[in-house]
Amino acid sequence: DTGVSQNPRHKITKRGQNVTFRCDPISEHNRLYWYRQTLGQGPEFLTYFQNEAQLEKSRLLSDRFSAERPKGSFSTLEIQRTEQGDSAMYLCASTGTGGSNEKLFFGSGTQLSVL
Amino acid sequence: DQQVKQNSPSLSVQEGRISILNCDYTNSMFDYFLWYKKYPAEGPTFLISISSIKDKNEDGRFTVFLNKSAKHLSLHIVPSQPGDSAVYFCAASAWYFKKSSGDKLTFGTGTRLAVRP
Repeated sequence: DTGVSQNPRHKITKRGQNVTFRCDPISEHNRLYWYRQTLGQGPEFLTYFQNEAQLEKSRLLSDRFSAERPKGSFSTLEIQRTEQGDSAMYLCASTGTGGSNEKLFFGSGTQLSVL
Repeated sequence: DQQVKQNSPSLSVQEGRISILNCDYTNSMFDYFLWYKKYPAEGPTFLISISSIKDKNEDGRFTVFLNKSAKHLSLHIVPSQPGDSAVYFCAASAWYFKKSSGDKLTFGTGTRLAVRP
């Protein structure tokens, strides 16, 4: 499978716990994006990496959220001290073969439920 | 502020008929527009796109129309099939911000299409 891979698919946690999600982008893609989608809404941008550099962070990304892409390949998104409002689907996408207009390829997402 | 708007949360169409999904945007910097399709518990999958230098792009049963002066685009599906039942998202990006934001997309809230057999 050469698509974007996300793990885990589902995560149930108790409020206050820390969670970490992983994203493996398409191998030749150097750009990686995290989005969050809640019920009835479209995906909302969280953060963007070009290789290992985190170039943009949304205001949605509070201090409890941190994302890394240490070697420019896979990425992790950590949420500390989870709150019920963090319950959402977290989507990872990648692109970056150098074209002028490129579409994002999304993974299947990690569905987070905070109890 | 919602820069990409899909004002119809749902649409129901008979199989074989045309489905028309609409999208409006407010940011004049947007110059590339995409439609994504999403099934439950899956990530969005790319459907069709259009650059601002065009006013129409066609791919099989799917056609996207862009009216820049009205800041409006629409997706036509002809003929509609039951397998087209999904949530459709309109999205936009701006080349101007590519250096800092890459190909970051701004999404609408989606339209749920139901195609009745």
